[in-house]
Amino acid sequence: AQSVTQLDSHVSVSEGTPVLLRCNYSSSYSPSLFWYVQHPNKGLQLLLKYTSAATLVKGINGFEAEFKKSETSFHLTKPSAHMSDAAEYFCVVSEANDYKLSFGAGTTVTVRA
Amino acid sequence: DARVTQTPRHKVTEMGQEVTMRCQPILGHNTVFWYRQTMMQGLELLAYFRNRAPLDDSGMPKDRFSAEMPDATLATLKIQPSEPRDSAVYFCASGSTDFNEKLFFGSGTQLSVL
Repeated sequence: AQSVTQLDSHVSVSEGTPVLLRCNYSSSYSPSLFWYVQHPNKGLQLLLKYTSAATLVKGINGFEAEFKKSETSFHLTKPSAHMSDAAEYFCVVSEANDYKLSFGAGTTVTVRA
Repeated sequence: DARVTQTPRHKVTEMGQEVTMRCQPILGHNTVFWYRQTMMQGLELLAYFRNRAPLDDSGMPKDRFSAEMPDATLATLKIQPSEPRDSAVYFCASGSTDFNEKLFFGSGTQLSVL
């Protein structure tokens, strides 16, 4: 069975500074990994996904994540935070092409002006 | 833009009442999911449909919850009778059978059971 641990429940950054959201996973087989973002009172939106292709994955809105099998990590980064990045971020894992997704507990990002 | 539509957006009801939540998946999507989001439990899968057939409802309390897809354009989640512990945000999502592709989530139904 797969699981996800998001190492930070809350991250606060200044606008224009880098953002790092940490995620570790466990999976029996080859995992598929996703990052979703949830803005207040909205549904979840896919930022990016890893499905056994390139280990550095680029997503929308300037985010990217690197799959590191040796560290079982899939950390999300953005070089320069924008006020609109304030939201909750979920790291998600599934066994390759399985419908069951395991969601992390979420990391709330606040961006200071 | 194609999107998943959920109604109602908010529902306040009293304990014991029936609650029905509706979801219109994206046209052409053949998988539909119901998730529940709470502070304590995070996001939990309640039910999964493929081609309108329920393939997994193991996450759903069977005594009070039921999920159906009367047709390809409508999915429903009913709670009868509702209880205060059912208060949560309920999300519907739809996608294809390629689960490496993304799910499209609706904006959710915020349910408060008093």
